[in-house]
Amino acid sequence: AQTVTQSQPEMSVQEAETVTLSCTYDTSESDYYLFWYKQPPSRQMILVIRQEAYKQQNATENRFSVNFQKAAKSFSLKISDSQLGDAAMYFCALDSNSGYALNFGKGTSLLVTP
Amino acid sequence: GAGVSQSPSNKVTEKGKDVELRCDPISGHTALYWYRQSLGQGLEFLIYFQGNSAPDKSGLPSDRFSAERTGGSVSTLTIQRTQQEDSAVYLCASSLGEDGYTFGSGTRLTVV
Repeated sequence: AQTVTQSQPEMSVQEAETVTLSCTYDTSESDYYLFWYKQPPSRQMILVIRQEAYKQQNATENRFSVNFQKAAKSFSLKISDSQLGDAAMYFCALDSNSGYALNFGKGTSLLVTP
Repeated sequence: GAGVSQSPSNKVTEKGKDVELRCDPISGHTALYWYRQSLGQGLEFLIYFQGNSAPDKSGLPSDRFSAERTGGSVSTLTIQRTQQEDSAVYLCASSLGEDGYTFGSGTRLTVV
């Protein structure tokens, strides 16, 4: 079975500061993909960053980067220089060959304060 | 189209009525997914289409739920005899491979 766990229901960060959102997962597959999605109040899920398990290098997209620890099955998201527009729900997701669809964690609500 | 389009955006229905939710995926995307998101919860997988066939219907919560996809494009999710516990946001996504999904903005269903 595949599971994705986000242990932080809510996080808060001040503008311009850095915050890290945690995600752990479980899969028996050796090759898989991990994603972070952002869901603002508009409801639309927006892809933030993607990591291929066979790549050791951590993915980076502008202010967003991940810390991918394959052995520990950990995939955290770091947001640098946080902006008010970063406030949203963030979901970690796993895509492996064990199933057809992405498995999502329950999400972390990120609040950004001025 | 340029994105995944879902309609209606919001739907209020009376308990016991049938509803149809529509998803128009990105042109050329062969895979289509339906998810349900209840208030404050993560995404619950409902069904997956590859082309017009549905290899995985395991997430449909009951036989009141059904879905079809025609022409490898538009998909309709039908909920018969709606119940209050069906109230949720229904999200559709499409993809072409392992680059991740592109989601629509969802349909918020409220059963009163």
